[in-house]
Amino acid sequence: NAGVTQTPKFQVLKTGQSMTLQCAQDMNHNSMYWYRQDPGMGLRLIYYSASEGTTDKGEVPNGYNVSRLNKREFSLRLESAAPSQTSVYFCASSEGLAGGHFGPGTRLTVL
Amino acid sequence: SQKIEQNSEALNIQEGKTATLTCNYTNYSPAYLQWYRQDPGRGPVFLLLIRENEKEKRKERLKVTFDTTLKQSLFHITASQPADSATYLCALDNTGTASKLTFGTGTRLQVTL
Repeated sequence: NAGVTQTPKFQVLKTGQSMTLQCAQDMNHNSMYWYRQDPGMGLRLIYYSASEGTTDKGEVPNGYNVSRLNKREFSLRLESAAPSQTSVYFCASSEGLAGGHFGPGTRLTVL
Repeated sequence: SQKIEQNSEALNIQEGKTATLTCNYTNYSPAYLQWYRQDPGRGPVFLLLIRENEKEKRKERLKVTFDTTLKQSLFHITASQPADSATYLCALDNTGTASKLTFGTGTRLQVTL
């Protein structure tokens, strides 16, 4: 059981470049999430998916798009990266009231 | 506006003592409140969930209380150990599903010998 896996672990982009952050879970959870974590701001929800085929905006969705490819995978895409998107990105999954399972994070720097 | 407040200052405590962390919230009516632990460079790890109709929940050395009148949750670690040193986050959900969480900024706990 790998839990929640994220790739890549680290990424440096130049302003305007695009990239996709990948996330997969092997716990058969219906719900999946993308958060960003910045110093002093806490974790903020970018997008979430309550089930396969559905996605919804969270608190800070601007500049991001998501795809729930299947039940296991939930990707986050930055179409045109900006320095304000420098952050640590966490993917998570959950089922019912069992609490969220978080991945190890992707550390993104946008120059 | 909605706000979740955790003490941003680190809590330093001696080994063996009870650590108490506070989570206050405003303009929420959460059905559930959750606590997570986060170590440096890692993702948060779920610890406990408490429902609005539960006053207290325990798990081993951990105890969480939830006072919806005071809009506050307290998180206690009894018999603290250096291995308990981490940042502790509270999170709550306003949708009644325990899923779409809003997190506090966390309180760093440092347990010394």
